[in-house]
Amino acid sequence: EIVLTQSPAALSLSPGERATLSCRASQSVSTYLAWYQQKPGQAPRLLIYDASNRATGIPARFSGSGSGTDFTLTISSLEPEDFAVYYCQQRVNWPPLTFGGGTKVEIK
Amino acid sequence: EMQLVESGGVVVQPGGSLRLSCAASGFTFDDYTMHWVRQVPGKGLEWVSLILWDGSSTYYANSVKGRFTISRDNSKNSLYLQMNSLRAEDTALYYCVKDIGPRGNYKGLFDYWGQGTLVTVSS
Repeated sequence: EIVLTQSPAALSLSPGERATLSCRASQSVSTYLAWYQQKPGQAPRLLIYDASNRATGIPARFSGSGSGTDFTLTISSLEPEDFAVYYCQQRVNWPPLTFGGGTKVEIK
Repeated sequence: EMQLVESGGVVVQPGGSLRLSCAASGFTFDDYTMHWVRQVPGKGLEWVSLILWDGSSTYYANSVKGRFTISRDNSKNSLYLQMNSLRAEDTALYYCVKDIGPRGNYKGLFDYWGQGTLVTVSS
């Protein structure tokens, strides 16, 4: 089973700042890495798939990069609605599909 | 509008059984692989199971294999999860989730989620 480790666990930033979230895989997932956003009381929402492709309707301030074992989700300028928990997920070797533990982006 | 509505979550004793249901609407249900994903309140996400669009194959996380059974009724646009031999560690919010890819092009990516149904295993 591929283990995904996200860092940091929490990130305190102000609106307008840049957020950089990391996801590391225990073995190569090529570019089969996705990112989801989850706000309190809501289901997760797909943001990025295949490492760098934005899902339908996702603003351009969200971008993803990486391949192999190291991936990054960048939010170029945080909007108030971006404060949430972010999860990475791999689909290269499944089942099982696996998620990272999440990074909480908090308002500073 | 695409909708997934889960039901069936209750408080159940350890060792008990439960059947979750998910009613789908707003898309061609029998074109899509469906998943169950769970989340302990305040914790992370765990993929539980999937069933292919035609019901021909099913897959499970090791943590539930042999205890849970996923099924679907395409004539009723419904997905199910039969949960047996429940344990305290099965306590979670269970989401019904649609795969992004149609038929043989399923991708293991999740584009639509229900709001979840809460299962609590406690004596």
